[in-house]
Amino acid sequence: SQQGEEDPQALSIQEGENATMNCSYKTSINNLQWYRQNSGRGLVHLILIRSNEREKHSGRLRVTLDTSKKSSSLLITASRAADTASYFCATESKTSYDKVIFGPGTSLSVIP
Amino acid sequence: DTAVSQTPKYLVTQMGNDKSIKCEQNLGHDTMYWYKQDSKKFLKIMFSYNNKELIINETVPNRFSPKSPDKAHLNLHINSLELGDSAVYFCASSLNEKLFFGSGTQLSVL
Repeated sequence: SQQGEEDPQALSIQEGENATMNCSYKTSINNLQWYRQNSGRGLVHLILIRSNEREKHSGRLRVTLDTSKKSSSLLITASRAADTASYFCATESKTSYDKVIFGPGTSLSVIP
Repeated sequence: DTAVSQTPKYLVTQMGNDKSIKCEQNLGHDTMYWYKQDSKKFLKIMFSYNNKELIINETVPNRFSPKSPDKAHLNLHINSLELGDSAVYFCASSLNEKLFFGSGTQLSVL
């Protein structure tokens, strides 16, 4: 069964606003990652948060992880039109090393 | 310069044909993957190889056969193509849990 699920499926915001995407998963994990996919391209790694971490920042990105609720959120602050893409969370479970499972993704549209 | 490169980018073929997709990474990574992305953008892991050895095979039909001649290459051969095989196939390699993806091969089976 699917390891991670994103919410919402699609999000449309104005440039300059913040975008928040959520991810839920089902099993115990070693780490959770977020990836971005621009239309017609491969996925690009954004940020990795380990199971013993609660929050991580990278530029305009902020990721939180709540292992008790098996959920994570990705916050993009001061969004730009170039942030328009699909965003995926991915998990590596404690029992399946190297097996990275992706959620269905959130499609983000940032309107200039 | 491309870190993970896969060819071809587009593949259009008839049902029943056999086709191959090639993948090469110049990052020196030990682990490589094949993922399938369907029309709803859902990514499903198919195979994973570590240093030429198969470590993950996710209940993929045996019409799909990966081959890793060396740790920099992981090719995917598909026999007897079916309509449901139409998708985008991504190769990836990994280091320290982070995946690096190729740009994908869009396979259309007619």
